Amino acid sequence: EIVLTQSPGTLSLSPGERATLSCRASQSVSSSYLTWYQQKPGQAPRLLIYGASSRATGIPDRFSGSGSGTDFTLIISRLEPEDFAVYYCQHYGDSMYTFGQGTKLEIK
Amino acid sequence: QVHLVESGGGVLLSGTSLRLSCVASGFTFSNFGMHWVRQAPGRGLEWVAAISFDGSTNNHADSMKGRFTISRDNSKNTLSLQMNSLRPEDTAVYYCAKERAAFDAFEVWGRGTMVTVSS
Repeated sequence: EIVLTQSPGTLSLSPGERATLSCRASQSVSSSYLTWYQQKPGQAPRLLIYGASSRATGIPDRFSGSGSGTDFTLIISRLEPEDFAVYYCQHYGDSMYTFGQGTKLEIK
Repeated sequence: QVHLVESGGGVLLSGTSLRLSCVASGFTFSNFGMHWVRQAPGRGLEWVAAISFDGSTNNHADSMKGRFTISRDNSKNTLSLQMNSLRPEDTAVYYCAKERAAFDAFEVWGRGTMVTVSS
């Protein structure tokens, strides 16, 4: 079973700064099935990035994803107040879907 | 506009059963695979089950196999989750989600329905 480990657990930054979130897989995975979601308190998750690097419809271009093999990254180039939330990576493989434990992005 | 609306949650005792429903609108339901995902209070996301566009194949997380069953009725645009032998650790918000494509990201989510299991 593939385990996704996200780091850091909590990231404290200010609006306007750049955020770098990491998702590491316990073994090499296909980037085609690596996804990022954003979740705000009391809301359902929202799809941000699929296929490791493709932005979902309506997602601002300050969000970008990259990576391959075991290491994947979500970058938010210039934080807006509405970007402070929890971010999850997810992978599909062996008929199962696995989520990372999440990174909380909080206002410094 | 694409909408998913879950229902059926509630408060119940350990060992009992519950059936959740998710009604879809705004897209051709019979063309897309669907999923259930849950989130325990204060915790992360956990995939529960998936079903193919035509209902011919499904899969469940190992921890829920044998207790939970996903199904769909394409004539009613409805996804269901039958949950049996419920345990306190099944307490969570249960979301239904629509695939972007087979084995792909979950591009639309419902608002969720809360299930609370007490011992």
